[in-house]
Amino acid sequence: RKEVEQDPGPFNVPEGATVAFNCTYSNSASQSFFWYRQDCRKEPKLLMSVYSSGNEDGRFTAQLNRASQYISLLIRDSKLSDSATYLCVVNSVSGGYNKLIFGAGTRLAVHP
Amino acid sequence: DGGITQSPKYLFRKEGQNVTLSCEQNLNHDAMYWYRQDPGQGLRLIYYSQIVNDFQKGDIAEGYSVSREKKESFPLTVTSAQKNPTAFYLCASSIRGTTANTGELFFGEGSRLTVL
Repeated sequence: RKEVEQDPGPFNVPEGATVAFNCTYSNSASQSFFWYRQDCRKEPKLLMSVYSSGNEDGRFTAQLNRASQYISLLIRDSKLSDSATYLCVVNSVSGGYNKLIFGAGTRLAVHP
Repeated sequence: DGGITQSPKYLFRKEGQNVTLSCEQNLNHDAMYWYRQDPGQGLRLIYYSQIVNDFQKGDIAEGYSVSREKKESFPLTVTSAQKNPTAFYLCASSIRGTTANTGELFFGEGSRLTVL
């Protein structure tokens, strides 16, 4: 089983739609969670952290469910510019070193 | 402007040849990393370095080598021993000891290696 699993998509949605992605992780000891955005053939960039209490940044809301070991990202009022791959990232401790484990990503395509 | 520079952006090599990918940062970060990305897979850690003159193997280090002689530079050599070297290679850096809290890695634009 992969440490971080995501539905690869693609999610095809019209502008203005609300879309949600889920991500599951296998290591119950993980403490930190993040969402990255990666545009086609570009480098990933940090989108937002995921806090236990949930957090919102404009149209983006991230939530964590520790009991079920999943993280979600909700995008409201989708824009064409939101089209990208969204990577779920989980921090893991291995050999005393904090390591970020990346999911394979969920692709979002927003159309007019 | 501060950032990470990777070169070359595209590289073609014949089987059996070694190739070195450059990664330079002027962010004054102690920690640097090399990841590999293949279609349909997450980024996989090849090597990382927390400080100058020190580095550790990541999850898929076989067939790769690195050096960290300067804080700013972390070159990756893809050797002929690497069985499937065709991939997108990403270099990243971070402030040492912060990734658990901030999750923030600063990535270069990547190097796309194709083995012919």
